[in-house]
Parts: sequence; C-alpha cells; structure tokens
Amino acid sequence: KNQVEQSPQSLIILEGKNCTLQCNYTVSPFSNLRWYKQDTGRGPVSLTIMTFSENTKSNGRYTATLDADTKQSSLHITASQLSDSASYICVVSAHTGGFKTIFGAGTRLFVKA
Amino acid sequence: NAGVTQTPKFQVLKTGQSMTLQCAQDMNHNSMYWYRQDPGMGLRLIYYSASEGTTDKGEVPNGYNVSRLNKREFSLRLESAAPSQTSVYFCASLGVGTTNTEAFFGQGTRLTVV
Repeated sequence: KNQVEQSPQSLIILEGKNCTLQCNYTVSPFSNLRWYKQDTGRGPVSLTIMTFSENTKSNGRYTATLDADTKQSSLHITASQLSDSASYICVVSAHTGGFKTIFGAGTRLFVKA
Repeated sequence: NAGVTQTPKFQVLKTGQSMTLQCAQDMNHNSMYWYRQDPGMGLRLIYYSASEGTTDKGEVPNGYNVSRLNKREFSLRLESAAPSQTSVYFCASLGVGTTNTEAFFGQGTRLTVV
C-alpha cells in the first residue's frame, strides 16, 4: 500500500533555532518527492522537488534530503523565523502510467519568539 | 495568471442543504483534484479528474459528486450536507511533465454544516 508518514506530528522551537522534519514513504514506483509549506488558512505551496537521483536540494533556509534506498526524506530549516510557523507536507508521486500522488499528514511547526 | 481559484471562501449550511463548490484553473492543466482537510489532519482526496470528461473516486468520496465541466473547471457538489462534512476544501490542479508533478492549490473553502 502506498503510504507517506511524517514525524513529528507537531514541533515547537524558538526563533533562530534549527529543526529537521522527517518523511518516510512506501510509494512505488517512485517518481519524485516534494515538500510543501501550508500557512494557516491557505493552500499548500511547493518548497522543493527531488527526483530519484537527487540527494540534497536547498531553497534558501530550507534543505531537503532524500535517501531513495531507505525511502526517507528530511526537511531541515536553518535559523528559523516566526514566518516559518506552518504545516509542512511531504508529497510523493509514483509513475504508474499516469502519476499517483500521495500526501503525508504534515508536521505542524510552531516558531516562538 | 490567477492560478487556481475557488469560490466561495466561506460557507455555512444547514444539515440537508445542498451546495456546489466551484474551482477554476488557468494553467491549462489536465488533472484536477478535490481534497478535504480536517483539523489536525492531512489532505484527503475526495475525487479527481485526470482529464476533461473523466472523474474518479478518491479516498473519501461518499456524500459528494463532481463535474468536470471543461478543462478549466471542476466543481464539487454536496447534495445533502451533513455535520461530518464540516471541513476546509481545497481544489488543486496538477502540472505534469517528465518530473514536474507540482500541484497548485486554491485558497480553500471553509465549510461549516450546522
């Protein structure tokens, strides 16, 4: 069964600190993995996309890693800001003729001053 | 370029009432989706349309119907609203290429059924 599991469910950190969010998946055959940021009351917005051959990708203070062998990804946020408070959703796509997209439940991040 | 537009943004219904949520995209995408998001939970797929003229059930289709009116528009209908359908509804369209499977989301419709 295609699944995407994220941890932790929620996280509270102080402004300026770093944090790492985890994503484990069983989606097959793997096509790509995206991390989305969803601000409260808004639709998700894509942060990064990673394909099978990519191990690391950065977007400003966000760095995503992918281990296709263990089917794990992480999103590292450096020097957190209050505006980083949001849900972060891991989304994995499988290429099964067409594309099948599976959403994780998300990690709710709270950055406190 | 507006992306994905959903209407209305907020709606309150009484149990048993019906309504249609509208969604339109201007990115010429073939695939469109309707999700619901309950508090503290992830997005769950209600229905999707891989292309104009086709629709398929997702994870939680009961109580909903959809219509892919044309390539731009994909509507979601609640025939007889129930309190369990209180949720935030997101429409998305999918750009598909060799590796580009980015989903673009609307702003959401916050629905309360009393």
